[in-house]
Amino acid sequence: KNEVEQSPQNLTAQEGEFITINCSYSVGISALHWLQQHPGGGIVSLFMLSSGKKKHGRLIATINIQEKHSSLHITASHPRDSAVYICAATNIIQGAQKLVFGQGTRLTINP
Amino acid sequence: DGGITQSPKYLFRKEGQNVTLSCEQNLNHDAMYWYRQDPGQGLRLIYYSQIVNDFQKGDIAEGYSVSREKKESFPLTVTSAQKNPTAFYLCASSIAVASEAFFGQGTRLTVV
Repeated sequence: KNEVEQSPQNLTAQEGEFITINCSYSVGISALHWLQQHPGGGIVSLFMLSSGKKKHGRLIATINIQEKHSSLHITASHPRDSAVYICAATNIIQGAQKLVFGQGTRLTINP
Repeated sequence: DGGITQSPKYLFRKEGQNVTLSCEQNLNHDAMYWYRQDPGQGLRLIYYSQIVNDFQKGDIAEGYSVSREKKESFPLTVTSAQKNPTAFYLCASSIAVASEAFFGQGTRLTVV
């Protein structure tokens, strides 16, 4: 079993739908990253959170430390949101930040 | 603009040759990281460096080498000892431990 599990692995929706991507982790963490990877491969950091909720535009990320679970929500989804979304748990090991990545959720938003 | 630059974006090499992937950052970050991504798998840590002239092995360091002679630069060499070098390689940096990580655009290496 992976230390970081995402669901669903693939998600297709229509433009305008509310999207939820889930991330569960089994390791102790200091924070959790949500990342976006577009075709071509470059990765953009969306959020880094250690508690509660963060919002940026149409994106909302929440984390429940007790339940070891985080969600990424996209409101009013748009075809340009189509990408792979990756969650990564951050551990501090021997003074260094180490990220443990989920396998990613491939999101496709159809017009 | 500050950021991380990886070059080249695509790289082809013959089997048995060493190849070096470039990673440069102008964010003044102390920590830098190299990850490997294979289809259907999460990114895995190859090497990381917390400070100039110091680096540590990650989870899959075998067949790779790095150097950190300058704060801005963290090149990765894929040696002929790496059994399956064809992959997508990502470099990242963070200002300090437990800080947000910033990623480059990646280098797709194909060994033929």
